[in-house]
Amino acid sequence: QQQVKQSPQSLIVQKGGIPIINCAYENTAFDYFPWYQQFPGKGPALLIAIRPDVSEKKEGRFTISFNKSAKQFSLHIMDSQPGDSATYFCAASFLSSNTGKLIFGQGTTLQVKP
Amino acid sequence: DGGITQSPKYLFRKEGQNVTLSCEQNLNHDAMYWYRQDPGQGLRLIYYSQIVNDFQKGDIAEGYSVSREKKESFPLTVTSAQKNPTAFYLCASTYGPGQGAIGNQPQHFGDGTRLSIL
Repeated sequence: QQQVKQSPQSLIVQKGGIPIINCAYENTAFDYFPWYQQFPGKGPALLIAIRPDVSEKKEGRFTISFNKSAKQFSLHIMDSQPGDSATYFCAASFLSSNTGKLIFGQGTTLQVKP
Repeated sequence: DGGITQSPKYLFRKEGQNVTLSCEQNLNHDAMYWYRQDPGQGLRLIYYSQIVNDFQKGDIAEGYSVSREKKESFPLTVTSAQKNPTAFYLCASTYGPGQGAIGNQPQHFGDGTRLSIL
């Protein structure tokens, strides 16, 4: 129940395409869902995050779609660029636990071809 | 500039040896975390600390130890009891419970230490 399942494991798109990365969770007590972007040899950095009281959030070319009833959320990258090539992690946490602990998905390696 | 510094970037461990990974932050964060990253497994929590002189086990604490004597520092020791230590280790920090909302504050990560076995 503590797991977050992420798919696909890897993804290749052409420049300008819209890669979609999906995550699913079981525990309905999760109430905070961030996405992190990681470049090779670097630590992850927060990209965008959503709370379950909204169904969609956009920040620039990045959009999170959230389906509370299906317990799924996804990341869409509009007009993808070669510079977006990185590993993406979804995560979930309980704000109410006050620990800041994050449960991460397995990661998706994205390659955007020029 | 504020941030998290992890050192060394690469570390090699001999059999039976304990090694210590350094994590220092100047972000004034109370909470600090250690994660282990393996290919295809995401990030798994080893230990976390929400205040000086206090820390809690994460999901995979066996074979690891930590200390939190200073707010800025949260070193991780990989002991000889950890039989499969080869991984990428990441340290993170964020504001703690006494500093305002936690959980909706981003965790800031260092650039990691890659540990290998000799």
